[in-house]
Amino acid sequence: DGGITQSPKYLFRKEGQNVTLSCEQNLNHDAMYWYRQDPGQGLRLIYYSQIVNDFQKGDIAEGYSVSREKKESFPLTVTSAQKNPTAFYLCASKEQGSNYGYTFGSGTRLTVV
Amino acid sequence: AQKITQTQPGMFVQEKEAVTLDCTYDTSDQSYGLFWYKQPSSGEMIFLIYQGSYDEQNATEGRYSLNFQKARKSANLVISASQLGDSAMYFCAMREGPNFGNEKLTFGTGTRLTIIP
Repeated sequence: DGGITQSPKYLFRKEGQNVTLSCEQNLNHDAMYWYRQDPGQGLRLIYYSQIVNDFQKGDIAEGYSVSREKKESFPLTVTSAQKNPTAFYLCASKEQGSNYGYTFGSGTRLTVV
Repeated sequence: AQKITQTQPGMFVQEKEAVTLDCTYDTSDQSYGLFWYKQPSSGEMIFLIYQGSYDEQNATEGRYSLNFQKARKSANLVISASQLGDSAMYFCAMREGPNFGNEKLTFGTGTRLTIIP
């Protein structure tokens, strides 16, 4: 079945460490997105990519980095520069030309310990 | 200014009653799209309904309908005959600009809906 896989589901990180969240899709979608969700703040866009080897900053990109070396994969690295990384992270992809084509993964909950 | 505003942080509704979740938006684009998503406690985002800015009829999908009032920049979600399984967070979202394929979504802060038996 086609879809988006995010791993791991839960992630614990020590302060000062970088950590990478995985996002893989087999939907052949061109565009991929990373959102952060905090209680009471909805979803905020971190980074997005429209094609391989190209990506743009979203509204809250500071302290994060991404890569898009393959169409299927869009990993997000939470760096030690991110001051408050504890949050729920959602990855999404979009089918070109479709209004309904935004597909979300099941999310990764990151906790800094 | 907020692009998407959801003014109801939480709502409690009796089972089988209809419920309206409010959403107002702000954009200067003539072409845009409005979405509603449901997020159960498991965290996944479930697409419910879509309304394009040029669509003349209000969108409907089963028990869900979208009350689109363009002049008021309002896109309220109506759930008819609510069920216990409707208890979840609901998010309104907007895509600005025409649908060329890769536009980002802007989300509201959500409404937590609880259905009471």
